[in-house]
Formats: sequence, structure tokens, C-alpha cells
Amino acid sequence: GQQLNQSPQSMFIQEGEDVSMNCTSSSIFNTWLWYKQDPGEGPVLLIALYKAGELTSNGRLTAQFGITRKDSFLNISASIPSDVGIYFCAGRRYGGATNKLIFGTGTLLAVQP
Amino acid sequence: NAGVTQTPKFQVLKTGQSMTLQCAQDMNHEYMSWYRQDPGMGLRLIHYSVGAGITDQGEVPNGYNVSRSTTEDFPLRLLSAAPSQTSVYFCASSRDPTYEQYFGPGTRLTVT
Repeated sequence: GQQLNQSPQSMFIQEGEDVSMNCTSSSIFNTWLWYKQDPGEGPVLLIALYKAGELTSNGRLTAQFGITRKDSFLNISASIPSDVGIYFCAGRRYGGATNKLIFGTGTLLAVQP
Repeated sequence: NAGVTQTPKFQVLKTGQSMTLQCAQDMNHEYMSWYRQDPGMGLRLIHYSVGAGITDQGEVPNGYNVSRSTTEDFPLRLLSAAPSQTSVYFCASSRDPTYEQYFGPGTRLTVT
């Protein structure tokens, strides 16, 4: 089945650094969601985007719905150790079934104090 | 609110056994879904339901059954477990299909 291309696959950074990750698709999407998954837990929603060009922040996190509608970006500023986890993008394809989310393969983030 | 709850948290089955993974939500959400998560593959949709009495197949439905007799509960049944069904299973809910989904803590299933 279709999955989104998410990059990078993993990141190992120092506390205080900024982080950027992105998600791309060959299809146009009308919804982008960003989730974080802690070890042994389910994904938790961080940010939801519903409009091309939309830029939304949640604390130190900022996400953007790309203007081509084929990509989305997540930035984390001034990383801290509790940012460790797997970050997933997810989206709904324009013209596709509205009830089906397509997930990226995840970005593993490790933060060294 | 407890949100989305799943039981059991861990389960080991032998090939050919059957079992039911339980999922419940207390947010009065109409839309519920089951995903499996395998290493390097993100989450893949197994089955979903848009309301009590209505279910449909997702991307990887083979070997699984679902039913939705109440708004709150959405159990997932493994009919005859196979090693390929070793995975982490997540249940999710949302107020309707176009809104953000909220996930349960997951069930880690091993089939030997």
C-alpha cells in the first residue's frame, strides 16, 4: 500500500539544537498530521494542518502544509531530552477516501543531553 | 476521560490460535480504526468503522475480523493466528473520519 516518504529516517542531535524533518508524496494531500510516539506507547497528535501553506505552532514545534500540497515539514526548536521518540507524518489524499490516513515510516529522534 | 483503551497490553499466541483484541473509547467518537505497526513500515490500516453497525476493510484486512455493536467498543479478532501477524496493534478513534485520530497504547502480539 501507499506510504509517505519521510526523512530523515533517524537523527542524533545535541540538546539545544533545532530539528527539521519532512514528508513527501507523489499525490496531492488535503490533510497533514504530525504524531509523536514514545517507546511502548501509541502515537500522540502534535499538530494538524488542513490548508495549503498553513503554518501552525505548538510550543517549540512548528509544522507547515507545503504549498504544492505534496509535502509537509516539522521543525522542533531548542530540542530537549524529552523530545526523544519517533515522529510520524500522516495525511489524507485529495480525492481519496476521507477515512483513510496514510502514514510515513517515521523519523527516530535521539537527543543527547 | 480515559480516552482510547486497549487490552491486553501483551499477548503470545501459538500458530492457529484465535483471540480478540479489545478497544474502547469514552469520547463518543463515531469513527474507530485498527492499525498494525511493523518495523520500518509505519502504521497500516486493518479495518475501520464509521459508526455502530458499520465496518469496512482497510489496507491489510486478511486474517482479521471486526464488529461494532456499540459506539464505545471496536474489537479486533484474529481468526487463526500466523507468525506474520506478529506486530504491535493500535486502535484509534476520532469524531469523524476527517478529523485527527487519537490512539490507544497498543497491544504487542507475538505469534510463535
